[in-house]
Amino acid sequence: DAGVTQSPTHLIKTRGQQVTLRCSPKSGHDTVSWYQQALGQGPQFIFQYYEEEERQRGNFPDRFSGHQFPNYSSELNVNALLLGDSALYLCASSPGTGLYYEQYFGPGTRLTVT
Amino acid sequence: DQQVKQNSPSLSVQEGRISILNCDYTNSMFDYFLWYKKYPAEGPTFLISISSIKDKNEDGRFTVFLNKSAKHLSLHIVPSQPGDSAVYFCAAIITSYDKVIFGPGTSLSVIP
Repeated sequence: DAGVTQSPTHLIKTRGQQVTLRCSPKSGHDTVSWYQQALGQGPQFIFQYYEEEERQRGNFPDRFSGHQFPNYSSELNVNALLLGDSALYLCASSPGTGLYYEQYFGPGTRLTVT
Repeated sequence: DQQVKQNSPSLSVQEGRISILNCDYTNSMFDYFLWYKKYPAEGPTFLISISSIKDKNEDGRFTVFLNKSAKHLSLHIVPSQPGDSAVYFCAAIITSYDKVIFGPGTSLSVIP
């Protein structure tokens, strides 16, 4: 049973560029959440997708957007990249929409903005 | 404003002894708490959770204690094993708002 997968593993972008990160949830999960983890900090909730809709959002600007596909996979898009966007981006899937559900995390995508 | 704090960035414990990881929160609206463990190059994995209606929850070697009046929770690992060496995050949730805040993590090293 495949767990949560994310691609790419690492990415280097330049300030002002746009980036798309991808996530496939654990089999049987229909809810996907995205988190940003800066160095030395805990994961910070960006948003959650369920039934192809954004149902919950953390304190992130509109430069961060997402999408969920009919097969439950998801994309995170970040526009107009800033140096401060450099972080590990984690995708998590869960068997329900409440954030109290156990989150199954992927290994993350390490984004470096130069 | 750091709503969830893990004031010990790191902790070293001898194999076989007890590991105690602490987490403090400031918002009394948090009513559900989870602990996650993270190995390098892997995503966090769920360990154990506790609702605010309880003060203790056990799962094998792992026990979480919640002291609501002190806004404090702790994770006890007994006995500690070298494979427990990882970064541990506590996460606090306001279920009515579906809001989650993670602490900054504590790096545990279990020495053989």
